[in-house]
Amino acid sequence: DTEVTQTPKHLVMGMTNKKSLKCEQHMGHRAMYWYKQKAKKPPELMFVYSYEKLSINESVPSRFSPECPNSSLLNLHLHALQPEDSALYLCASSQLPMVYSNQPQHFGDGTRLSIL
Amino acid sequence: SQQGEEDPQALSIQEGENATMNCSYKTSINNLQWYRQNSGRGLVHLILIRSNEREKHSGRLRVTLDTSKKSSSLLITASRAADTASYFCATKRSLETSGSRLTFGEGTQLTVNP
Repeated sequence: DTEVTQTPKHLVMGMTNKKSLKCEQHMGHRAMYWYKQKAKKPPELMFVYSYEKLSINESVPSRFSPECPNSSLLNLHLHALQPEDSALYLCASSQLPMVYSNQPQHFGDGTRLSIL
Repeated sequence: SQQGEEDPQALSIQEGENATMNCSYKTSINNLQWYRQNSGRGLVHLILIRSNEREKHSGRLRVTLDTSKKSSSLLITASRAADTASYFCATKRSLETSGSRLTFGEGTQLTVNP
């Protein structure tokens, strides 16, 4: 079992739907991350939250909207996605933001997203 | 450019054999990390080696780092079928305008046959 919990595990949605991915950690970590991973490729960073504030947006299209309601929760709101957005979306956390430390990241098992 | 690149892309061995995976990177680092990803799961941190270290051990894992060649290797000794997974190296990349992030290599898919 991982200490970072992601829900749902699988999501199928149409291009006009609105859905949200959820990530939760109770390790007291103050940095949280969203990654996108295509099959047989490495994870690609999308967003970084440091102390509940968005610190990095890797030029992600606005149809992806992150939200950090508190230090334990991270959401990714999805709207009007394209078929090429189908991927595994991974959430991760680290004790401190990377700019302050070299600590490892803890990953959830991801949400497998399919866009019809 | 890709900060971490690994070879081989795929490796298939028999149980009990050793597996070696290599990672090369392009810019200066202060540490390099290795992660494992089982099929359909998230990444799991295996080991971190700092730039002033040359070798580090953790159980059946041995990691080396050669900063002059900008390369690292991960050795798994006495492999088991449960070691079947993708292995990624990752380096911390700091950009003045946008902060620090982990950049992952392309990964090595290891298959250990029983």
